[in-house]
Amino acid sequence: SQQGEEDPQALSIQEGENATMNCSYKTSINNLQWYRQNSGRGLVHLILIRSNEREKHSGRLRVTLDTSKKSSSLLITASRAADTASYFCATDETGGFKTIFGAGTRLFVKA
Amino acid sequence: DTGVSQNPRHKITKRGQNVTFRCDPISEHNRLYWYRQTLGQGPEFLTYFQNEAQLEKSRLLSDRFSAERPKGSFSTLEIQRTEQGDSAMYLCASSPDRGGYTFGSGTRLTVV
Repeated sequence: SQQGEEDPQALSIQEGENATMNCSYKTSINNLQWYRQNSGRGLVHLILIRSNEREKHSGRLRVTLDTSKKSSSLLITASRAADTASYFCATDETGGFKTIFGAGTRLFVKA
Repeated sequence: DTGVSQNPRHKITKRGQNVTFRCDPISEHNRLYWYRQTLGQGPEFLTYFQNEAQLEKSRLLSDRFSAERPKGSFSTLEIQRTEQGDSAMYLCASSPDRGGYTFGSGTRLTVV
């Protein structure tokens, strides 16, 4: 079963625009992570935000976390064609060992 | 260290055969995970090892699936009596602590 749900399922933008993806989850978490996956390849860890943090930045990435709404967002600024990929949020549940992934947002950046 | 290594990259097998996949994690990582991913979906948790101990196993995993991590180093995932529904990408990931996993490139299994 998947805990996280990403929104939108697919997103198409022009190079240079910003891309925003949202993630909602169901249970109490220790942290939330975002990953990128290029077609047919393994996942790459982008950023982790802990449950006591509200915002985190890494390069062109900005992640927010609202534990009261059980939601997170990933903002990619000044997108590039190379950002074309699927993006997944993943949550570490409190009291468990597993990390649960959502179904992902497919981002397509047009050059 | 070149990251998490998975072998083979691709496996085609006939229904009913047994298959075994191998994962070599980053050497200093004591946490190791197996996931399964089908087309258009996110990775689905299968099992978790901390060192050599298997601490959690998905209830979705039938008795046909077994995983080991002898001596807390590499891990193997075996599927017995494969079924067409087992066709998927099998991903291994490792980490030194909770969160921020390094994934391998996966083993793509096709059951015909």
